Amino acid sequence: GAVVSQHPSWVICKSGTSVKIECRSLDFQATTMFWYRQFPKQSLMLMATSNEGSKATYEQGVEKDKFLINHASLTLSTLTVTSAHPEDSSFYICSAQPFDRGWTEAFFGQGTRLTVV
Amino acid sequence: AQTVTQSQPEMSVQEAETVTLSCTYDTSESDYYLFWYKQPPSRQMILVIRQEAYKQQNATENRFSVNFQKAAKSFSLKISDSQLGDAAMYFCAYRSAVNYNQGGKLIFGQGTELSVKP
Repeated sequence: GAVVSQHPSWVICKSGTSVKIECRSLDFQATTMFWYRQFPKQSLMLMATSNEGSKATYEQGVEKDKFLINHASLTLSTLTVTSAHPEDSSFYICSAQPFDRGWTEAFFGQGTRLTVV
Repeated sequence: AQTVTQSQPEMSVQEAETVTLSCTYDTSESDYYLFWYKQPPSRQMILVIRQEAYKQQNATENRFSVNFQKAAKSFSLKISDSQLGDAAMYFCAYRSAVNYNQGGKLIFGQGTELSVKP
């Protein structure tokens, strides 16, 4: 099956620093990837749609300058949390949909637990 | 805008018994996809089952089956012969079929925490 790899699995950073999270599709090309945020015991909330070779599309209420997304290749999208603050602490998950699944079946990365201290 | 609602925050089932998780959704689209995802304590999202809206037949995957009622906009998940490994958070999700070849965002329900008692 299709594999989406996310790195790192967990990260602790100091308030005011930036953190980069990588999302890779290992065995398929993904022109579009999605970034979600999940708080404990809550649902996944879409943050943005990452588009290869173009600007990301952000959901309403998501600060594009805070959450920088770059999709420089067909297998890699990155999410950078800039000037992180404790309220940015959360679980971030990426997903992508392979062509051979008709783009309908989403595969998810393992997620990244971000803790800002 | 589409919405997905799971009205059962928590459910419990005895091992080997059957449990049904509820999901309703709202959309003005006629073509779409519905999914049930499982999120165990590892937090890795795992696809349980999918349903295409144009198909009248309910999807089944081994012990998992759905009751898809398009007119009522209802999409429930039935787990038969429940096992301890089924304990997890279950999310119902909606995906539009518009622009299908560009990938599509998923809209998730609030989730149902399923516990399985031995």
